[in-house]
Amino acid sequence: QQPVQSPQAVILREGEDAVINCSSSKALYSVHWYRQKHGEAPVFLMILLKGGEQKGHDKISASFNEKKQQSSLYLTASQLSYSGTYFCGTGGMRSGNTPLVFGKGTRLSVIA
Amino acid sequence: DTGVSQDPRHKITKRGQNVTFRCDPISEHNRLYWYRQTLGQGPEFLTYFQNEAQLEKSRLLSDRFSAERPKGSFSTLEIQRTEQGDSAMYLCASSMAGPSSYEQYFGPGTRLTVT
Repeated sequence: QQPVQSPQAVILREGEDAVINCSSSKALYSVHWYRQKHGEAPVFLMILLKGGEQKGHDKISASFNEKKQQSSLYLTASQLSYSGTYFCGTGGMRSGNTPLVFGKGTRLSVIA
Repeated sequence: DTGVSQDPRHKITKRGQNVTFRCDPISEHNRLYWYRQTLGQGPEFLTYFQNEAQLEKSRLLSDRFSAERPKGSFSTLEIQRTEQGDSAMYLCASSMAGPSSYEQYFGPGTRLTVT
């Protein structure tokens, strides 16, 4: 089952914060977050494994709530370079690297 | 190592022709994945390998599609008798394999246009 991402699109001014959610109807083992700019390949941001850990990477962090089968990506003090489409990819209950099922993406536009 | 590479970057072909794409993964990665992405959608899984063994194929993958990874290094994806619906970006990704879940790194993709 494809995870559902929300919102579908968001426009921010530089310095504003945003939250992107990724929900699944199936039990999750892992959630992978990527950012893709137009015409380019998806770029890996971070991976979260079941256990509810939160990860951070500069001003971008994420959480994973396995009970709710949901992950959230937090972008703090957004920069112009954050613009792009954010995808979550979910891995199933089998351990080890399984092929990911991606959501439809959230288009983020940061304006000056 | 500079990452995952794919060749060609763009391919325009006429309907009914066969096409083949190549992917070179990160050298120490033994998992290799093929995904397809159309406009406005996330990548969609096609097939994946561990070393030279093809472990899984998507049910969406028709018989016209075949993939190989003969020596456990580079991989090829062939589409026979192309159709206009095959037009998409074909992405290759690679990762480590193991009991945990590891990040998948994507190549730049091959954009296929079927006319």
